[in-house]
Amino acid sequence: GQNIDQPTEMTATEGAIVQINCTYQTSGFNGLFWYQQHAGEAPTFLSYNVLDGLEEKGRFSSFLSRSKGYSYLLLKELQMKDSASYLCAVLFSGGYNKLIFGAGTRLAVHP
Amino acid sequence: EAGVAQSPRYKIIEKRQSVAFWCNPISGHATLYWYQQILGQGPKLLIQFQNNGVVDDSQLPKDRFSAERLKGVDSTLKIQPAKLEDSAVYLCASSLSAGAGANVLTFGAGSRLTVL
Repeated sequence: GQNIDQPTEMTATEGAIVQINCTYQTSGFNGLFWYQQHAGEAPTFLSYNVLDGLEEKGRFSSFLSRSKGYSYLLLKELQMKDSASYLCAVLFSGGYNKLIFGAGTRLAVHP
Repeated sequence: EAGVAQSPRYKIIEKRQSVAFWCNPISGHATLYWYQQILGQGPKLLIQFQNNGVVDDSQLPKDRFSAERLKGVDSTLKIQPAKLEDSAVYLCASSLSAGAGANVLTFGAGSRLTVL
């Protein structure tokens, strides 16, 4: 199987920090992506991790531990516009690369 | 750079009718994907093309869904006959297959299907 688990919903306050976790089955792992999806819109690419460690990109950072099958997306200095779904997606290899998405975490940022 | 184009944006049909969706990927992107996203869920991969060949269609309900990518560029996804549970957004995405940016998917705006 290629189960990807992430919390269904989270809430946070404007200006705060929030961490969205993602766990996955490690067999065939070839990289992990985070996408942002605003309601009624298409997903947009946020980050990509293939090696262990933290990748920082402005207010957003993504962490990966391949041995634990674990990643998180860290959002700092939250803004109202960060209210969206955050999709964890794992690239599985097996002759070709196949990107499988988790169900997404719906984040609500309130004043 | 032009994005991934999809049409129609919205379609309402009755069950047992047929529908077709069209996708034009980013120029030069060899890999094209069709995902189905049901409300409140993550995108589910239906079919993946590499140029004009299918590399994965394991989740495509082949008794009613079909897809093609003639000449390795545009693609169409067809549903015939539609069922109520096919109500979803159909997302087309494309990516490079090698080099920097490989496997980074760019999505189109999606085609929202409602089956009554």
